[in-house]
Amino acid sequence: NAGVTQTPKFQVLKTGQSMTLQCAQDMNHEYMSWYRQDPGMGLRLIHYSVGAGITDQGEVPNGYNVSRSTTEDFPLRLLSAAPSQTSVYFCASSRDRAAQPQHFGDGTRLSIL
Amino acid sequence: AQSVTQLDSHVSVSEGTPVLLRCNYSSSYSPSLFWYVQHPNKGLQLLLKYTSAATLVKGINGFEAEFKKSETSFHLTKPSAHMSDAAEYFCVVSDVGNTPLVFGKGTRLSVIA
Repeated sequence: NAGVTQTPKFQVLKTGQSMTLQCAQDMNHEYMSWYRQDPGMGLRLIHYSVGAGITDQGEVPNGYNVSRSTTEDFPLRLLSAAPSQTSVYFCASSRDRAAQPQHFGDGTRLSIL
Repeated sequence: AQSVTQLDSHVSVSEGTPVLLRCNYSSSYSPSLFWYVQHPNKGLQLLLKYTSAATLVKGINGFEAEFKKSETSFHLTKPSAHMSDAAEYFCVVSDVGNTPLVFGKGTRLSVIA
C-alpha cells in the first residue's frame, strides 16, 4: 500500500520553464489537494479536487494549473516558473472533503533560479 | 473565516520533561481542530483531532490536547519528551467538515539530551 506518491522528490528549474509535479494515490480517495510550504508560513492550499473532473482554487492558485482526469492522479502544472514558486509542494488525499486524516505525500522540493 | 495562531515558533525541552505547544484559533462556527506532525523531509502525519466530542483528545505517541472554547485554545501536551519527538508541529482548523483546512505557521520542537 503506497499511499500518496509524489514525483519528483527534487527539481531545479530556470525561470520561465514549465513542469508538472505528479501525485498519485492508491486508496480510492475522492478528495485530493496541493499545498505549498514556505518557511514560517505553514501550508497554504493551492488547488483541490473533490472528484474526477472537478477542481477548484485554494488560497494561492496563481501560476498553477491542475486537472483530475482519474481518481488516482492529480498533477500540478507550473506553466512559466518564477522564483517566487520556489517551495516545498505537498499533495494530500482523503476519502472525502470532510474526512480526516488527510494522507500526505513526502513532498517535492522545487527550486527556481 | 477561520484562523489559527501558534504562539511559539520554536520550543526547546530536555528529554524526559513535559512538552507544551500552544495554539489559539478563531472560528465562526463549531470548529474541527487537528494537530499534525512533520518529521524532517517527510510529509505530515495526523497526531490527533477534535470534532465536538470529548474535549480532551488523546493522540498517538503519548500526545494529547484539550479543547477550551472559553479560551479558544487547543494546546498540545505530552508528559515526557522523547528524542524522537523532535519535529515541526502544525495546529489546523476547519470551520465545518467540508471547508478547506487552515494551517498555523508551525512550531519547531527541539529535544535536548
